[in-house]
Amino acid sequence: KNQVEQSPQSLIILEGKNCTLQCNYTVSPFSNLRWYKQDTGRGPVSLTIMTFSENTKSNGRYTATLDADTKQSSLHITASQLSDSASYICVVSVNSNYQLIWGAGTKLIIKP
Amino acid sequence: DADVTQTPRNRITKTGKRIMLECSQTKGHDRMYWYRQDPGLGLRLIYYSFDVKDINKGEISDGYSVSRQAQAKFSLSLESAIPNQTALYFCATSDFTGAGELFFGEGSRLTVL
Repeated sequence: KNQVEQSPQSLIILEGKNCTLQCNYTVSPFSNLRWYKQDTGRGPVSLTIMTFSENTKSNGRYTATLDADTKQSSLHITASQLSDSASYICVVSVNSNYQLIWGAGTKLIIKP
Repeated sequence: DADVTQTPRNRITKTGKRIMLECSQTKGHDRMYWYRQDPGLGLRLIYYSFDVKDINKGEISDGYSVSRQAQAKFSLSLESAIPNQTALYFCATSDFTGAGELFFGEGSRLTVL
């Protein structure tokens, strides 16, 4: 069964600290892996999209990594800001761009 | 103005009522989607459309129907709403190139009493 699991479910860190969110997937055939940021009550916004051949991709203070052998991805946030408080969702595409397997997300809270 | 606009943003209705959620986009994308989000669960695809004459069921289409009135408009209907359809609904668009990045609307929160 195609699945995407994220950990932790929630995380609280102090402003300025770094954090890493994890995503494990059992999806086949794999097309690409995406990370989305979703502010409370808003639609998800794309952070990165990585294909099989990409190991690392950055978007400002966000850096995503992908290990296709172990089927794991991580999202590292550097020097967190209050505006980083959101849910971060890992999504894996199954050999097309319309069959997407969504994780339940990690809820990140940044405290001043 | 938002690229993907959903109306209404919030709606409270009663069991058995017919509800329509509307989505319009200015991104010029051919592909449009309706998703449902429930607390603690990943987004689930209800219906998707790759063109005006194309409608496809997603993983949870029972109890829902859609209409693609134009390239820019895609509406979702609940013919007879029931309480377990209480959820946050998102419309999204994508083009057909590359990885097909999704662009989401702001969501429509539906409560069925």
